[in-house]
Amino acid sequence: SQELEQSPQSLIVQEGKNLTINCTSSKTLYGLYWYKQKYGEGLIFLMMLQKGGEEKSHEKITAKLDEKKQQSSLHITASQPSHAGIYLCGAARIQGAQKLVFGQGTRLTINP
Amino acid sequence: NAGVMQNPRHLVRRRGQEARLRCSPMKGHSHVYWYRQLPEEGLKFMVYLQKENIIDESGMPKERFSAEFPKEGPSILRIQQVVRGDSAAYFCASSPDSGANVLTFGAGSRLTVL
Repeated sequence: SQELEQSPQSLIVQEGKNLTINCTSSKTLYGLYWYKQKYGEGLIFLMMLQKGGEEKSHEKITAKLDEKKQQSSLHITASQPSHAGIYLCGAARIQGAQKLVFGQGTRLTINP
Repeated sequence: NAGVMQNPRHLVRRRGQEARLRCSPMKGHSHVYWYRQLPEEGLKFMVYLQKENIIDESGMPKERFSAEFPKEGPSILRIQQVVRGDSAAYFCASSPDSGANVLTFGAGSRLTVL
């Protein structure tokens, strides 16, 4: 089983709708990272969360960290075609360490 | 300031040949990480290197795979005697000395083994 489980694995939404992607860890988190990957390209860093209850936003994307539940959610408001891609959560397993483990990704499709 | 540069972007090899993938980290970064992404799967950690040192190779297959990050030049991931199962996207990431955990990724090298 995956150390980081993402749900859903794929998501199709109508342009303009809101959506949420979840990431749940089976082990202690020392930092949770969200990346976006477009097909055939590398990963683009979105946000880093380090403290329980922390919430960060960038444009229409908001990420939250629930440290007790070892979960993070990524919420997109008023989705646009540019939001399409694969969203990956990554976690540090050792405090201060730079090595990350990743979830299997959530493939987001935006229908016009 | 160029990002993480990987080359080649695409590489085709026949079974039994060798594949060499190169990664130049961002300027000022001395920590390099290699990840592998198999089709329809997430990223799997392979190896973490600093200049001239392998820090963590817990994700490297025991045979045929090796990595180095010399004092001068790019980091190299080498796969000897490739097999079809080695076909994947190989991503390199780098981070600075400061201990910040944000990894900057390259665009990846896609290896196809015929």
